[in-house]
Amino acid sequence: DARVTQTPRHKVTEMGQEVTMRCQPILGHNTVFWYRQTMMQGLELLAYFRNRAPLDDSGMPKDRFSAEMPDATLATLKIQPSEPRDSAVYFCASPRGGGYTFGSGTRLTVV
Amino acid sequence: QKEVEQNSGPLSVPEGAIASLNCTYSDRVSQSFFWYRQYSGKSPELIMSIYSNGDKEDGRFTAQLNKASQYVSLLIRDSQPSDSATYLCAVNRMGGSEKLVFGKGMKLTVNP
Repeated sequence: DARVTQTPRHKVTEMGQEVTMRCQPILGHNTVFWYRQTMMQGLELLAYFRNRAPLDDSGMPKDRFSAEMPDATLATLKIQPSEPRDSAVYFCASPRGGGYTFGSGTRLTVV
Repeated sequence: QKEVEQNSGPLSVPEGAIASLNCTYSDRVSQSFFWYRQYSGKSPELIMSIYSNGDKEDGRFTAQLNKASQYVSLLIRDSQPSDSATYLCAVNRMGGSEKLVFGKGMKLTVNP
């Protein structure tokens, strides 16, 4: 399957709550990228994994964000505790055809 | 200087006109260049990739790359209202699975 699947599509949560976003990469692809998109900053790379190991998570606030890839079919991004400034669309992506295929994204609103 | 810069826009063109979108990048070792289209509320989708200097044409789209000037552009001929979207320029150092750095995007509106 050449699709990247993300859940949930939308999430509204209160400040301080834990948020978990999930991504199923393209089947058989071993690299996953997490991006965050806001109007002000555009698309920013948060982290990426290859063969389930983190290669670069320098774009991610370490005190509250964590990313994992427990197996080849699942990548997760957690925010604990969430803050209003985390409101954004979070995309995961798999490499394909030289570029990326993006998932549909998770639109997160923290109130 | 940001790694990948696009004109802030927005850009508005009449239907049938040529839309020209520009992008500059700062890292001279960049090797792969991409244009993505993003409709409002949707995820980015790849529309063009270019790896060597010169022009690459695909239907109504032409990507142009000038590595000496660190400049990449996208031309859309015979613009259609369905081309109205935000266009994102992306660059990476190496092919394959290395990370892409994106510009902030340029919003294009094609007026009927």
